[in-house]
Amino acid sequence: EVQLVESGGGLVQPGGSLRLSCAASGFTFSSYLMSWVRQAPGKGLEWVANIKQDGSEKDFVDSVKGRFTISRDNGKNSVYLQMNSLRAEDTAVYYCARVSVVVVPAAQQPYYYYYYMDVWGRGTTVTVSS
Amino acid sequence: DIQMTQSPSSLSASVGDRVTITCRASQSINIYLNWYQQKPGKAPKVLIYAASSLQSGVPSRFSGSGSGTEFTLAISSLQPEDFATYFCQQSYSTPWTFGQGTKVEIK
Repeated sequence: EVQLVESGGGLVQPGGSLRLSCAASGFTFSSYLMSWVRQAPGKGLEWVANIKQDGSEKDFVDSVKGRFTISRDNGKNSVYLQMNSLRAEDTAVYYCARVSVVVVPAAQQPYYYYYYMDVWGRGTTVTVSS
Repeated sequence: DIQMTQSPSSLSASVGDRVTITCRASQSINIYLNWYQQKPGKAPKVLIYAASSLQSGVPSRFSGSGSGTEFTLAISSLQPEDFATYFCQQSYSTPWTFGQGTKVEIK
């Protein structure tokens, strides 16, 4: 069964740190780009970060740049989100997601890459409060 | 950043109704548009990717259309299990962004 399981959430004081983990199973983890997406209480979805298959490229939403880092260990089929200098506005459920891609030949460039998040974990809750 | 705007924010409908949700992008995104369904307390689930491709296992009553800046998710005959919140999301450029969501409620 294809599965993602997040862990590491909890209550932390403003300015503190947490490290979230996401364990993957049931698919070839090293073949997939991975994402973290969060959802504040009662709010919509916010993409947080991506990491390429080999970890060579990473991308973040501006609000977490310089505070969060993303990494992966393909030998352990896991992706991580290190969150430092946490703020109240980081309070959310954090989801790990697998990113699949459809590659389509194009007339004016080599290919189009259509990315979408097709497998999600159940999420882990991060609460930043004093 | 590309802003995604959904309309309506919520709607009430009956079982068997046809429902459409619109998503507009602040700039052209080709067909880099995905639709997700989320039920309370659960993770999102992808329904449609690349604007109109149905994800495996998703009922055929769901369909997507559009390109450029305007997109539509349609549910041809609403079923009890379809009452949920729906989000669009662009993957044209990072930061990937979501619409604010459309809550589909029972009339």
